[in-house]
Amino acid sequence: AQKITQTQPGMFVQEKEAVTLDCTYDTSDPSYGLFWYKQPSSGEMIFLIYQGSYDQQNATEGRYSLNFQKARKSANLVISASQLGDSAMYFCAMREWTTGNQFYFGTGTSLTVIP
Amino acid sequence: NAGVMQNPRHLVRRRGQEARLRCSPMKGHSHVYWYRQLPEEGLKFMVYLQKENIIDESGMPKERFSAEFPKEGPSILRIQQVVRGDSAAYFCASSPEVGFNEKLFFGSGTQLSVL
Repeated sequence: AQKITQTQPGMFVQEKEAVTLDCTYDTSDPSYGLFWYKQPSSGEMIFLIYQGSYDQQNATEGRYSLNFQKARKSANLVISASQLGDSAMYFCAMREWTTGNQFYFGTGTSLTVIP
Repeated sequence: NAGVMQNPRHLVRRRGQEARLRCSPMKGHSHVYWYRQLPEEGLKFMVYLQKENIIDESGMPKERFSAEFPKEGPSILRIQQVVRGDSAAYFCASSPEVGFNEKLFFGSGTQLSVL
């Protein structure tokens, strides 16, 4: 079974609008962390936001917030007030306590911000 | 504080040659990870190393691929007798500790092209 599933290969959003990128995960480990990374066309992987399995509140970092629904095993990324520079690939990832060596990545979502 | 440094950024090899990819982790980071990214795909874990030790190489192909992280110097991912299927982006990442809440810091990647 896939550890991380991102079902949206590509998304479009109008500049200044909000957009939600979906991510579901699969784990039986009670301790885990969820991460979102951005990969612009230049190729580097940029860390955006982190959510721990025991965190009571949804994580927020500036225009990024994570809609964490533990029972549904989803960790959707919400980008508010989209900017042209947000156009990139976005990857959801998970790290478990029991297999802490590994980061499991989804296949990514390509976001295009339309002016 | 320099980030994770990878070189070269681009590497072109002919089939049968050897490819050596280098990675210097962030200062103070003793945990190094190598990932491979094929076009239109997410990152696939290859190997996790600490200084002078391979901790987890479960994602590494059994033949032709090897990795090291010596006491002094960068981590090296070595691919012997490259084939066209080895063409991919190879990312190195580091972290200061191992834990489900520890994010990975990525380098800019090495794009390997096999002719």
